[in-house]
Amino acid sequence: KNQVEQSPQSLIILEGKNCTLQCNYTVSPFSNLRWYKQDTGRGPVSLTIMTFSENTKSNGRYTATLDADTKQSSLHITASQLSDSASYICVVTFLTGANNLFFGTGTRLTVIP
Amino acid sequence: GAGVSQSPSNKVTEKGKDVELRCDPISGHTALYWYRQSLGQGLEFLIYFQGNSAPDKSGLPSDRFSAERTGGSVSTLTIQRTQQEDSAVYLCASSLAQPAGRAEQYFGPGTRLTVT
Repeated sequence: KNQVEQSPQSLIILEGKNCTLQCNYTVSPFSNLRWYKQDTGRGPVSLTIMTFSENTKSNGRYTATLDADTKQSSLHITASQLSDSASYICVVTFLTGANNLFFGTGTRLTVIP
Repeated sequence: GAGVSQSPSNKVTEKGKDVELRCDPISGHTALYWYRQSLGQGLEFLIYFQGNSAPDKSGLPSDRFSAERTGGSVSTLTIQRTQQEDSAVYLCASSLAQPAGRAEQYFGPGTRLTVT
């Protein structure tokens, strides 16, 4: 069964600190992996996308890494800001099929002053 | 508008009533998706449109759920005889082309449905 699991479920950090969110998946064959940020009451917004050949991708203070051998990805947030408070969702794409996206349940990040 | 819009933003309905949720995709986006997000759950795929046709309806949870798309643009998700377990946020997304994994999906803000 193709699955995407994220950890931790929730995380609270102080403003200015760094944090790392984890995503493990079993989706195979794999096409790409995305990280989305979803603010409360809003739709998800794409942060990064990586194919199986890419190990890292950055978007400002967000850096995603991918190890396709171990089927693990992480999202590292540097110098967190209050506006980083949101849910972060890992989405893995299966190689074939009309609809082939597998969504993780997300990590709820809260940044406190 | 520049992005995907959905209406209404919130809907409270009584059990047994029918509801219609609307999605206006980004102009020119041929692919349109409906997802459901229940509290504490990941996004659940419901249906996908390419143009006006729906090649993949595999995610619709029951025959009470239906969707249509007209003119390759606006889509309506209809839930008949709503049940309390239908309470969730219904998200719509659109993209330029298929397959989904290769085209960036842009999400709307969602419709929060509460069935009392």
